[in-house]
Amino acid sequence: SQTIHQWPATLVQPVGSPLSLECTVEGTSNPNLYWYRQAAGRGLQLLFYSVGIGQISSEVPQNLSASRPQDRQFILSSKKLLLSDSGFYLCASGQDSSYNEQFFGPGTRLTVL
Amino acid sequence: GEDVEQSLFLSVREGDSSVINCTYTDSSSTYLYWYKQEPGAGLQLLTYIFSNMDMKQDQRLTVLLNKKDKHLSLRIADTQTGDSAIYFCAEAKTSYDKVIFGPGTSLSVIP
Repeated sequence: SQTIHQWPATLVQPVGSPLSLECTVEGTSNPNLYWYRQAAGRGLQLLFYSVGIGQISSEVPQNLSASRPQDRQFILSSKKLLLSDSGFYLCASGQDSSYNEQFFGPGTRLTVL
Repeated sequence: GEDVEQSLFLSVREGDSSVINCTYTDSSSTYLYWYKQEPGAGLQLLTYIFSNMDMKQDQRLTVLLNKKDKHLSLRIADTQTGDSAIYFCAEAKTSYDKVIFGPGTSLSVIP
């Protein structure tokens, strides 16, 4: 099965500072990759998904962007963080398997002060 | 459109059965899932069911699907304190489509 790595595990950043969260995947090739945000321990909001290198689809307009420079690397960025960007960010990997299971990373807890 | 709804909280006593319910709007959903999230961690797939099935049983877990009413349920028999977590219902149209998650049900098990 796949292993998803995310770092950092926790991050405290001031408003207006930049952001870079990284996600890497082991154990598969050419996966679909996803970034989710979970606010206040509830609900899962899909932010971005990617079906291949350089291919990014955005689900909601926001202050964030995503990039996929390599097959198994997915990066979430911001040029200037807002207070509302605080949350728990989860990276997930999925493949065209028989039942489309998604594998999740351990998450990054971001607090914007 | 795509929408998945769940009640937000459920509390049960240890040893009782838990039933977590979910409704979805997209009748073309082919894959339906239950994911579990333990505190401070990512989600893990618990079980899944194809839309052409009515029921699936896996040890203490029973999934029931009412396709006509677009209703999915997860029953956990003999609920244990280790079952305390957030349970997410989710659906996808195809094996390569994005997965749509519900808001999650927080299950608390009282010893």
